[in-house]
Amino acid sequence: DGGITQSPKYLFRKEGQNVTLSCEQNLNHDAMYWYRQDPGQGLRLIYYSQIVNDFQKGDIAEGYSVSREKKESFPLTVTSAQKNPTAFYLCASRHAGTPYEQYFGPGTRLTVT
Amino acid sequence: KNEVEQSPQNLTAQEGEFITINCSYSVGISALHWLQQHPGGGIVSLFMLSSGKKKHGRLIATINIQEKHSSLHITASHPRDSAVYICAVTGGATNKLIFGTGTLLAVQP
Repeated sequence: DGGITQSPKYLFRKEGQNVTLSCEQNLNHDAMYWYRQDPGQGLRLIYYSQIVNDFQKGDIAEGYSVSREKKESFPLTVTSAQKNPTAFYLCASRHAGTPYEQYFGPGTRLTVT
Repeated sequence: KNEVEQSPQNLTAQEGEFITINCSYSVGISALHWLQQHPGGGIVSLFMLSSGKKKHGRLIATINIQEKHSSLHITASHPRDSAVYICAVTGGATNKLIFGTGTLLAVQP
């Protein structure tokens, strides 16, 4: 089955630790996205990548880093510089031929204490 | 003011009722999306439309480009329709999605 996999579903970390969230897709999609969701707010774009080895900052990139070494994978690292890391993180992807349609993963809920 | 506004924020309905969720936007768009998010958090795309009306089962989505407004209707609502419904628009040069804050729908048996 084609789709987007995010792991783990729930992640707990101590303050001050970096943590990497996984996102893998087998849809052969070119572009991949990371969003953050907080209660009462719409999803906000953290980083996106339109091709391998290239990525751009979104609206709230501070305290996050990404890499895109393979087409299938777009991991997000939440660094200790991110002041409020506790949130729900969603990965999405889209095919170059369908510029307006994004497919979403199941999400990872990160709790930092 | 958010670029994408949804109303209502919360909606409780009885099973069988006709439901309408509204979305207004203030930017130029290429497409408008209706998404469904279940309690587990995963998001499913329901509709993508740029004009007119689309129907899928008991769900109907309409858009009025001139008025910058879209509605999502659910006919014969069922408790399994309980979810957060999110309106999003694709706009700007990068085709980024701009999201509304969502409407939490609870359908009671």
